[in-house]
Amino acid sequence: DIQMTQSPSSVSASVGDRVTITCRASQGISNWLAWYQQKPGKAPKRLIYAVSSLQTGVPSRFSGSGSGTDFTLTISSLQPEDFATYYCQQGNSFPLTFGGGTKVEIK
Amino acid sequence: EVQLVESGGGLVQPGGSLRLSCAASGFTFSSYEMNWVRQAPGKGLEWISYIDNRGSSIYYADSVKGRFTISRDNAKNSLYLQMNSLRAEDTAVYYCARDLFGGSVYFDYWGQGTPVTVSS
Repeated sequence: DIQMTQSPSSVSASVGDRVTITCRASQGISNWLAWYQQKPGKAPKRLIYAVSSLQTGVPSRFSGSGSGTDFTLTISSLQPEDFATYYCQQGNSFPLTFGGGTKVEIK
Repeated sequence: EVQLVESGGGLVQPGGSLRLSCAASGFTFSSYEMNWVRQAPGKGLEWISYIDNRGSSIYYADSVKGRFTISRDNAKNSLYLQMNSLRAEDTAVYYCARDLFGGSVYFDYWGQGTPVTVSS
């Protein structure tokens, strides 16, 4: 199984900050990588698929990059509605696996 | 508008069974692969099962293989998860999630989730 490791597990930031979250796969997954946002008590929401393709309606301050085993989600200018937990997910092979999550908290 | 509505969750004793349903609307259900994903209290997301649009290709996580069965009824626009031999560690919110596009294994729409509690 492919293990997905996210870092950091939590980050404190202020509105307007640039935030970077890293996701590392235990083996190469090509570009089969997605990112999701989840707020407390809500279902996850799609953000990015295929490493860097923004889902419809996702603000352009979100971006994704990387290849092979190392990937990054960047929020260029953190907004109040962005405080949430973020998960990466690999789609290279079954079983599909998620990272452990990164909680973005208000500083 | 795409909608996924789960139902069937509840309290069940260890060793018991439960059948979850996911009612889909707002899209051509028979054209999309579907998944079940769960989230234990205070924990992260765990994918547990996938079914292709025709029901001919199915995958499970090792944690539920042999105990859970995914199925679908395209005529009723519905996805199901039959859960048998339930354990305390199966306690979670269960979400159904639609694939972004054929073969993508990315989740674009999610239901609101249905909670399952396994306890005596």
